[in-house]
Amino acid sequence: ETGVTQSPTHLIKTRGQQVTLRCSSQSGHNTVSWYQQALGQGPQFIFQYYREEENGRGNFPPRFSGLQFPNYSSELNVNALELDDSALYLCASSFRRRGSGDEQFFGPGTRLTVL
Amino acid sequence: QKEVEQNSGPLSVPEGAIASLNCTYSDRGSQSFFWYRQYSGKSPELIMSIYSNGDKEDGRFTAQLNKASQYVSLLIRDSQPSDSATYLCAVNIMEYGNKLVFGAGTILRVKS
Repeated sequence: ETGVTQSPTHLIKTRGQQVTLRCSSQSGHNTVSWYQQALGQGPQFIFQYYREEENGRGNFPPRFSGLQFPNYSSELNVNALELDDSALYLCASSFRRRGSGDEQFFGPGTRLTVL
Repeated sequence: QKEVEQNSGPLSVPEGAIASLNCTYSDRGSQSFFWYRQYSGKSPELIMSIYSNGDKEDGRFTAQLNKASQYVSLLIRDSQPSDSATYLCAVNIMEYGNKLVFGAGTILRVKS
């Protein structure tokens, strides 16, 4: 069984640039969620993708966008980077079951630094 | 009021003792609850999930849920130095596409 993978591991960008982060879900999983974790805080939900459609969004501006592909992998895109976007970006995959909370399994994360 | 609250700690326990980690949540409709362990510089690792009132045991870990009191806890028996980490409580919010809402985490330090 293949776990959740993310790329790149680390990334340094300057303010105003755009970034794309990638995630491959665990085999057998069909749902991908993205979270942002600032230092000393718990992860904050950005959005979730199921069947290639956005299925819920947290309190993040539209410059945060995403995609899910037919193989259930996903991308997170952030435009017009701001200094406060510096954080650990986590992808979590799960298998969606109706009527129950799904266990979500995290990838290793991408550490984004915005200068 | 924060949706999920945890004592930030650090909680220090001697090796071999029981560590007790607590979490309260605000959404009475929540049905699924999770504990994650996060080592410094790493991503969260799922260690327990609980859906029904009562206790759920898995090895040295016991999760306890009381929906009436909106309270969930994690007990770690025979604590080891390798248990030293941040423990994150997460609550599933079905209304928002099955998102997880996390507490800020409790830092646990097990001293040998």
